[in-house]
Amino acid sequence: DIVMTQSPDSLAVSLGERATINCRSSQSVLYSSNNKNYLSWYQQKPGQPPKLLISWASTRESGVPDRFSGSGSGTDFTLTISSLQAEDVAVYYCHQYYTWPTFGQGTKVEIK
Amino acid sequence: EVQLVESGGGLVQPGGSLRLSCAASGFTFNTYWMSWVRQAPGKGLEWVANIKLDGSEKNYVDSAKGRFTISRDNAKNSLFLQMNSLRSEDTAVYYCARGAQGLTRLFDIWGQGTMVTVSS
Repeated sequence: DIVMTQSPDSLAVSLGERATINCRSSQSVLYSSNNKNYLSWYQQKPGQPPKLLISWASTRESGVPDRFSGSGSGTDFTLTISSLQAEDVAVYYCHQYYTWPTFGQGTKVEIK
Repeated sequence: EVQLVESGGGLVQPGGSLRLSCAASGFTFNTYWMSWVRQAPGKGLEWVANIKLDGSEKNYVDSAKGRFTISRDNAKNSLFLQMNSLRSEDTAVYYCARGAQGLTRLFDIWGQGTMVTVSS
């Protein structure tokens, strides 16, 4: 299984400031035949199911604010919230779908 | 509106069985892979099983093999998870999730979940 490791486990950011979450996979999730990274990011608010934010490491889903961006390739990825809003308080998970799906342990984002 | 609604959760004793259901609406159910994903209380997400469009292929996480069975009824737009020999570590919220179009392991729509508690 591919192990996904996120850092940090939690972070507190002031409103309007940048939040950065890192994700590392135990093996590459870049598929050479199509040059795509099989990596996504989910947002989960308390009492709600996960919501898909980003797929293919950097493609925002329809309706996701452009303050959310994803980057990285191979084994190292980053989710950035450029200007944190109150409604962004949540747990964020990275997820690989290169092989049988596995998720990172989650990163809790709070307001400082 | 695209929607997934789970049901069937509850309290069950260790060694017992439970059958979860997921009712799909708002999309052409038989053109999507479907999965079950679970989340233990206060923990992260774990994919449990998935099933192909026509039910001809099923896959499971190792901990579910031999105990859980995923199935679907395309005529009724429904997904199921039969869980036998339940253990305390199976306690979790179970989510029904749709595979994104053309993909088996990326989940674009999730239900609200149903809670399963395994305890004596």
